[in-house]
Amino acid sequence: DGGITQSPKYLFRKEGQNVTLSCEQNLNHDAMYWYRQDPGQGLRLIYYSQIVNDFQKGDIAEGYSVSREKKESFPLTVTSAQKNPTAFYLCASSEQGSYNEQFFGPGTRLTVL
Amino acid sequence: AQKVTQAQTEISVVEKEDVTLDCVYETRDTTYYLFWYKQPPSGELVFLIRRNSFDEQNEISGRYSWNFQKSTSSFNFTITASQVVDSAVYFCALTYFNYGQNFVFGPGTRLSVLP
Repeated sequence: DGGITQSPKYLFRKEGQNVTLSCEQNLNHDAMYWYRQDPGQGLRLIYYSQIVNDFQKGDIAEGYSVSREKKESFPLTVTSAQKNPTAFYLCASSEQGSYNEQFFGPGTRLTVL
Repeated sequence: AQKVTQAQTEISVVEKEDVTLDCVYETRDTTYYLFWYKQPPSGELVFLIRRNSFDEQNEISGRYSWNFQKSTSSFNFTITASQVVDSAVYFCALTYFNYGQNFVFGPGTRLSVLP
């Protein structure tokens, strides 16, 4: 089955620690995205990548970092610089072109203790 | 600037009722695309429909239908004979034709269908 996997589903972190969220897709999509969702709110874009070895900041990139070394993988690191990291994180992918629908993974719920 | 407004924060209906979710958008572009996504309690967003700005035909898919009106900048979503499984948060989104990431999501409408 083609799709997007995110791991882990739930993640707990102590303050001051960096943590990396995994996102893998086997849809052969060029573009990948990371969104943050807070309770009762819509999605906000953190980073996106249109092609391997290239990525761009979204609206709320501060305190986050990404890499895109392989087409199928787009990991997100939440650094200690992120002031309020507790949220639901969604990864998505699409064919290249901003007009294409995005397909989403199941999400990772990050809680900072 | 692009913007999507979903004025209805939460809606509750009883099973078998029809319900319409409103979406109003703002854009200066003449070529743009509108989307609806469903987010069930599991959290994963599910793509429902994409519509481009040149196609104002309404669309029906089973119990779902969409009404696109450029004159009022609206792209409303109707569920006919709602079911408990329709309970979810529904997002409307807008993007325009460009290289880069231009997806703008609305804040979502939480629909609760009561048995």
